[in-house]
Amino acid sequence: GAGVSQSPSNKVTEKGKDVELRCDPISGHTALYWYRQRLGQGLEFLIYFQGNSAPDKSGLPSDRFSAERTGESVSTLTIQRTQQEDSAVYLCASTTTAAALTDTQYFGPGTRLTVL
Amino acid sequence: GDSVTQMEGPVTLSEEACLTINCTYTATGYPSLFWYVQYPGEGLQLLLKATKADDKGSNKGFEATYRKETTSFHLEKGSVQVSDSAVYFCALRDPGYSSASKIIFGSGTRLSIRP
Repeated sequence: GAGVSQSPSNKVTEKGKDVELRCDPISGHTALYWYRQRLGQGLEFLIYFQGNSAPDKSGLPSDRFSAERTGESVSTLTIQRTQQEDSAVYLCASTTTAAALTDTQYFGPGTRLTVL
Repeated sequence: GDSVTQMEGPVTLSEEACLTINCTYTATGYPSLFWYVQYPGEGLQLLLKATKADDKGSNKGFEATYRKETTSFHLEKGSVQVSDSAVYFCALRDPGYSSASKIIFGSGTRLSIRP
């Protein structure tokens, strides 16, 4: 497809379970970002990947959160021992490069996570 | 730290009314400024951007001017349509960060247009 895709679109889980969210960026985009959007709030930066460089993990809220990316392709965001405050929409975005300030980010439709 | 403050919503207007959504920012460097829009059931998409002071971004009848003296980037449209109903996010990217890739988003403003 032409855009960023994410799966699943919705995920309902029980408190304490682990979840894995997937992002497929636009082909050829070297930079990939994860954001969290809580209900009624703005986007919180979580992590970004740029090519083979070490990822910037400065936005991850706790050590329960981790993310991986294989080369310049798929990324997975894992949340361990989920808590109710993890409920949010998790958005993925990609751009051609992280260096240019004017680069447009292309967002996926998001995964809505609900922790019961 | 860097931040973006935008007008709280929801904003409800009648069709053909004038729109202004206020956005102000704080930044350590000379950021690029963006407005993103999220239509119902869709992902965020870039609406317009401006990269330096006095630049005007425009798209789909919306405009915003980068005002360094007032650190503002207000979104305006002269005549809104029902199809403009969406959530609008003001955002900045600041070269002052060691990793220049981060974009800081405002909290979003929900706009509803009545026919």
